[in-house]
Amino acid sequence: DQQVKQNSPSLSVQEGRISILNCDYTNSMFDYFLWYKKYPAEGPTFLISISSIKDKNEDGRFTVFLNKSAKHLSLHIVPSQPGDSAVYFCAASEYSNYQLIWGAGTKLIIKP
Amino acid sequence: DTAVSQTPKYLVTQMGNDKSIKCEQNLGHDTMYWYKQDSKKFLKIMFSYNNKELIINETVPNRFSPKSPDKAHLNLHINSLELGDSAVYFCASSLEGGNGYTFGSGTRLTVV
Repeated sequence: DQQVKQNSPSLSVQEGRISILNCDYTNSMFDYFLWYKKYPAEGPTFLISISSIKDKNEDGRFTVFLNKSAKHLSLHIVPSQPGDSAVYFCAASEYSNYQLIWGAGTKLIIKP
Repeated sequence: DTAVSQTPKYLVTQMGNDKSIKCEQNLGHDTMYWYKQDSKKFLKIMFSYNNKELIINETVPNRFSPKSPDKAHLNLHINSLELGDSAVYFCASSLEGGNGYTFGSGTRLTVV
């Protein structure tokens, strides 16, 4: 049973436009959410996180939005750049349990 | 200077062999992990060590055994390798509570 779902295996966006990556979760006990970025042949690297007491967290071109009632979060990248082409993983955890539960990832392709 | 390093990067071996993958972190983190990325790109936790004590074992076969000589190292030993063990294995580390998750670059294991 997948507790964290990324339903789009891939997404193609024009350079300069907004990229929106989506993530849904089923466990209402999750209260901490993270996005990781992964290039081929490298390990995932931390990108941005959000705790359940917030509904938005912004870091430069990256913004994560959390909708607790819908159990949905999204990552916005504005403007999209060619270096953003990578696989993006959504992950979630409960505060009392540091184990991260991962989505399957979404491959983002930024077209020039 | 690599924060979480795992070796080898690639490993090709025959069925029935015994092999090890090494992982070292220089971040001073308390907890280290082994993840397996399956054919559907899911990252599944296999083991976690906190200050040299095993605290998670996600029902992986007992052919897999983690060994932690000290809190900076967590090695993965695999006995009697099977074709289904072929995957990418990621080592990771974090502070207690899960903050600062950092991944190694992965080891692609191919069993032939």
